[in-house]
Amino acid sequence: EVQLVESGGHLVQPGRSLRLSCAASGFTFISHAMSWVRQAPGKGLEWVSSISGSGTRTYTSDSVKGRFTISRDNSKNTVYLQMNTLRADDTAVYYCAGGNGDVFDYWGQGILVTVSS
Amino acid sequence: IVMTQSPATLSVSPGERATLSCRASRSVSNNLAWYQQKPGQAPRLLIYGASTRVTGIPVRFSGSGAGIEFTLTVDSLQSEDFAVYFCHQYENWPPTFGQGTKVEIK
Repeated sequence: EVQLVESGGHLVQPGRSLRLSCAASGFTFISHAMSWVRQAPGKGLEWVSSISGSGTRTYTSDSVKGRFTISRDNSKNTVYLQMNTLRADDTAVYYCAGGNGDVFDYWGQGILVTVSS
Repeated sequence: IVMTQSPATLSVSPGERATLSCRASRSVSNNLAWYQQKPGQAPRLLIYGASTRVTGIPVRFSGSGAGIEFTLTVDSLQSEDFAVYFCHQYENWPPTFGQGTKVEIK
């Protein structure tokens, strides 16, 4: 059974940093690109960042470029999202998602990040 | 690429058909997926390649279209189908989603 379990989300003050983790199981992790997709309260889905299976290629949305960094550790079947200089509009549920191609086949349960003073 | 879904809300009686639309600001070929999201849950992939159902998704869900116009049809709506549906294009980077269509009980 495929499982993606996010952790690391909590209340943080504007300007601070946070690192999200996503532990994967039930599939061949290294064969899958992994992504982070977020959803602000009551809003739609917004793609944030993606990383190739090998970790050599990363892509990041313009809205977080220069502040967020995606990485992965294939020895631990884990993908990370380092979030720096957080802003109030980064408040959202962050989903870890994975897929064999460009669609998001698998999703974690999501983790809430709240940026507020 | 901007994805526009319509309508924003669709009121349907159980057992009836729901037809959801998704339009792309430019062609995405058939690189279009549909997801279902229920309250408090993560999205679930239903359809990819515009019309290919994911294994395990009921046959009452069908997708069609290519280029810029796409449709998700849900035949004979069941109680568990009332949810929000998102389209997603993966033709070009960055991948983008529509704003969602909420299918509610009439």
